[in-house]
Amino acid sequence: DIQMTQSPSSLSASVGDRVTITCRASQTINSYLNWYQQKPGKAPKPLIYVASNLQSGVPSRFSGSGSGTDFTLTISSLQPEDFATYYCQQSYSTPPMFGQGTKVEIK
Amino acid sequence: QVQLQESGPGLVKPSQTLSLTCTVSGGSISSGSYYWSWIRQPAGKGLEWIGRIYTSGSTNYNPSLKSRVTISVDTSKNQFSLKLSSVTAADTAVYYCARYDPVAEYFQHWGQGTLVTVSS
Repeated sequence: DIQMTQSPSSLSASVGDRVTITCRASQTINSYLNWYQQKPGKAPKPLIYVASNLQSGVPSRFSGSGSGTDFTLTISSLQPEDFATYYCQQSYSTPPMFGQGTKVEIK
Repeated sequence: QVQLQESGPGLVKPSQTLSLTCTVSGGSISSGSYYWSWIRQPAGKGLEWIGRIYTSGSTNYNPSLKSRVTISVDTSKNQFSLKLSSVTAADTAVYYCARYDPVAEYFQHWGQGTLVTVSS
């Protein structure tokens, strides 16, 4: 299985801050990396697919980059509704593994 | 817009079989080339992929659960189902069904999730 490691596990930030979350794969996954946002009691919501493609309806302040083993999710200007947990997920091989999550909290 | 809804018992006894159904609305489960998946999340923890089924009936399972999992599809009811046998407390989790888009390679649509507790 390909292991996915996110950093940090949690972070505190203020509204308007630029936030970057990192995801590292245990082996190359080309660009087969997706990002999801999850709020308490809700299902994960897709944000970014294949590393840098924005899901329809997702605000443009979200962006993704990377290839190979290292990827980033960036929120250019954090908004109140962005406080949530973010997960990366590799779709290069089966089983599709998720990172452990990064919780974005209000500073 | 495709919608998915999980249903099934919220409480299962240890050693018994957990059974859940996902009902798909807003589109036929047979149309398109999608994989229909089950994913679970223990309280306060991360997401674990359980397995998937294609509309042809072909399946793939997480090796960590493969010996206990069966996923099936009923196209006449627009549903797919999960059976997990010999459950223990470690199987207590929120269970999600999801549609995987094999072209864009991601879980595009999710159900709201259903909590299953394993307890006597």
